Amino acid sequence: DADVTQTPRNRITKTGKRIMLECSQTKGHDRMYWYRQDPGLGLRLIYYSFDVKDINKGEISDGYSVSRQAQAKFSLSLESAIPNQTALYFCATSDFRGGYPDTQYFGPGTRLTVL
Amino acid sequence: QKEVEQNSGPLSVPEGAIASLNCTYSDRVSQSFFWYRQYSGKSPELIMSIYSNGDKEDGRFTAQLNKASQYVSLLIRDSQPSDSATYLCAVRDGGFKTIFGAGTRLFVKA
Repeated sequence: DADVTQTPRNRITKTGKRIMLECSQTKGHDRMYWYRQDPGLGLRLIYYSFDVKDINKGEISDGYSVSRQAQAKFSLSLESAIPNQTALYFCATSDFRGGYPDTQYFGPGTRLTVL
Repeated sequence: QKEVEQNSGPLSVPEGAIASLNCTYSDRVSQSFFWYRQYSGKSPELIMSIYSNGDKEDGRFTAQLNKASQYVSLLIRDSQPSDSATYLCAVRDGGFKTIFGAGTRLFVKA
């Protein structure tokens, strides 16, 4: 079984709809991240969480919200989806309790299309 | 603004050749450096990490780090068509953040 899972894997929705993307991990890592990837722009950080009670905005958090329901679960919501949120979304985890290097491991991704 | 720069490519090499991928970064206090491979539509997969100046070898892959020049590279020896992918350089700064480059597309011709 995969260590980091994302659901759904693909989603097509309409402008204005609320969407939730879910991420679960069995790696036991403390840190979780949400990224979006657009062609030519690389990975951009949306939100990150260092533990259940810690949520932080990344570089492109506008229009998104997150919830860390448990150490193993981190959800990303689009309250009112818009077409420029069409992208590939990745969840990632890392384990910093042992210090560096804090390597990030990625889920399989969710391809979201907003019409 | 901390940056990680990579040539977008595509870098095209013949099968069996050495592919050389380069990355520069702006934050002098960066601590850890990573290379990820990403096939089209798939998630990034860690190839190597490096923390100290010099070379680190793992199979056909060698990562090279020069902190004075703020430069990290990845060499792929005996390149195979299956190595064709986008390679992402990632740099972890002195705080908490890992910054990813936009990636270099590599094409290995059979």
